[in-house]
Amino acid sequence: GIQVEQSPPDLILQEGANSTLRCNFSDSVNNLQWFHQNPWGQLINLFYIPSGTKQNGRLSATTVATERYSLLYISSSQTTDSGVYFCAVLTQGGSEKLVFGKGTKLTVNP
Amino acid sequence: NAGVMQNPRHLVRRRGQEARLRCSPMKGHSHVYWYRQLPEEGLKFMVYLQKENIIDESGMPKERFSAEFPKEGPSILRIQQVVRGDSAAYFCASSRRGTGAYEQYFGPGTRLTVT
Repeated sequence: GIQVEQSPPDLILQEGANSTLRCNFSDSVNNLQWFHQNPWGQLINLFYIPSGTKQNGRLSATTVATERYSLLYISSSQTTDSGVYFCAVLTQGGSEKLVFGKGTKLTVNP
Repeated sequence: NAGVMQNPRHLVRRRGQEARLRCSPMKGHSHVYWYRQLPEEGLKFMVYLQKENIIDESGMPKERFSAEFPKEGPSILRIQQVVRGDSAAYFCASSRRGTGAYEQYFGPGTRLTVT
């Protein structure tokens, strides 16, 4: 099956810093989503981005489907950005199950 | 406009009891997915349902687990004779249509603890 690898596994930042999270996937995809799991365990939808670039406030994401990777950018990080960021993909060919990476654990210190 | 609703949010069961987890999809969504997050692990797909149909249950354990999405009412994930290894967070997601082209929206999860 498809492999989804996220890097780095852990990231510690000072408030105000910028960061880039990466998601590599091993096959063509129909769907790619980024999620933030906050410290209370809730999964928040960030982006639905099978290709192209999107921005939402301090967050933006880019997926280059032909090269099988996606990037999540966080600018001017805040302590509330702390948590785990997951990338998840749906492979082409009719599968409906999202395959998740292992996540990047982000800690933003004040 | 309510999102995906799950209840209960926390559930404690003794070994051997049954656990029933409920999921109401977003309004206008007819596709429901269940995922499980074991401690210190990522999320894994369990089952995909449409109304009155199980479409893909390739991620469901072969025994003790079942799921349904009746014509009326929420989707139910049922775990019979729970064991400690079933302790996990169970997330439900919904989408407007299948075929992979639509975003899946996740509920807040049910945290099951088996004592």
